[in-house]
Amino acid sequence: LAKTTQPISMDSYEGQEVNITCSHNNIATNDYITWYQQFPSQGPRFIIQGYKTKVTNEVASLFIPADRKSSTLSLPRVSLSDTAVYYCLVLNRDDKIIFGKGTRLHILP
Amino acid sequence: GAVVSQHPSRVICKSGTSVKIECRSLDFQATTMFWYRQFPKKSLMLMATSNEGSKATYEQGVEKDKFLINHASLTLSTLTVTSAHPEDSSFYICSARDVGLGLTGGVYGYTFGSGTRLTVV
Repeated sequence: LAKTTQPISMDSYEGQEVNITCSHNNIATNDYITWYQQFPSQGPRFIIQGYKTKVTNEVASLFIPADRKSSTLSLPRVSLSDTAVYYCLVLNRDDKIIFGKGTRLHILP
Repeated sequence: GAVVSQHPSRVICKSGTSVKIECRSLDFQATTMFWYRQFPKKSLMLMATSNEGSKATYEQGVEKDKFLINHASLTLSTLTVTSAHPEDSSFYICSARDVGLGLTGGVYGYTFGSGTRLTVV
């Protein structure tokens, strides 16, 4: 199972764009890069998943370079409610999910 | 989208008693479910993998006789904490992997329950 490395914490202000970078140097060919969000006392919630290049949905964008050894989660115009822990994972069909430490994002007014 | 229901959301029990936590996939079938525990300000720690119709696979260091897992159907897995002690107090979260592709969280679908806060007094 590929390990991921991401910043332990980040601070930003409301209305700003937040980019959280994750490195996954040992990603395998059939792995997908997946991000989850977790609020206190709740289970993780799926945000976005991608394999290569760029993926965008209604809440975030995911940028993946050609070598796939890293990825960047981009949250546009954050609000206070985006304060949460964000986990970067690389997943394939057969793996169990092993969580890293995640990035604790704190949005300031 | 796919939903995993976890019950109860909170439970308080006395030391020495047993507590059962249920995890249900509401609109999809889950051949595999996972159980995690999480301490305050820490990440989720995988406890065991539950496979429908077979024995659970426990992670190293997790006592299988203390944390009993049953996955009797494609929509239900249960975790029973036996002879609970205060150190078992934690946040327990289940996750389900759907049988098909793309039904839940992404191409490889993993959906999480809302968690159970267990307090042993």
